Amino acid sequence: GESVGLHLPTLSVQEGDNSIINCAYSNSASDYFIWYKQESGKGPQFIIDIRSNMDKRQGQRVTVLLNKTVKHLSLQIAATQPGDSAVYFCAENANAGGTSYGKLTFGQGTILTVHP
Amino acid sequence: GAGVSQSPSNKVTEKGKDVELRCDPISGHTALYWYRQSLGQGLEFLIYFQGNSAPDKSGLPSDRFSAERTGGSVSTLTIQRTQQEDSAVYLCASSLGEGQGLKAKNIQYFGAGTRLSVL
Repeated sequence: GESVGLHLPTLSVQEGDNSIINCAYSNSASDYFIWYKQESGKGPQFIIDIRSNMDKRQGQRVTVLLNKTVKHLSLQIAATQPGDSAVYFCAENANAGGTSYGKLTFGQGTILTVHP
Repeated sequence: GAGVSQSPSNKVTEKGKDVELRCDPISGHTALYWYRQSLGQGLEFLIYFQGNSAPDKSGLPSDRFSAERTGGSVSTLTIQRTQQEDSAVYLCASSLGEGQGLKAKNIQYFGAGTRLSVL
């Protein structure tokens, strides 16, 4: 079946470094992707999204890169801070099309730990 | 508040008992989703409601699980005859939903979840 997965389950970085979290997807029909951040005891929080007609999108300190050729998605966090420590999930949707509906398929998550 | 609200935040029950979990979506969101998250795992889709359409129940793991959404707003997830393997965090999310136009986003906004422990 279709799946979304992450290459690395854990990532430890020093404060101030840049972080890169990777995600592979297998559904070639996926046309919409979202990154979520989940802190302990909380629900996932939206970070940034990207549609398949783009290969890069930037937010505040975050950049998402999409490589459709190899079905790979990455989240880059610049100048990582201790408050960025959380579990990061990528999610994909293969039914966004021209509507806003999307049943998301989530990856397993990457634990990011930022050391002061 | 303006976010998704779930109650209770924690629920401890005995094996075999029924439980009801509640979700109040963001006002104006027509789509509502339930997910299950086991410890250290990703999110497992359970069920999706969109407006007055029949819900997508494809993720419900057994017939002990059911959900309803009354008046297109509040939703209740019911687990009958709970088993220990049902222990998990149950997350609810809402989004603008279908028919909102090409520029609308199906970003799902999550509640804090209900942590269910079945003894």
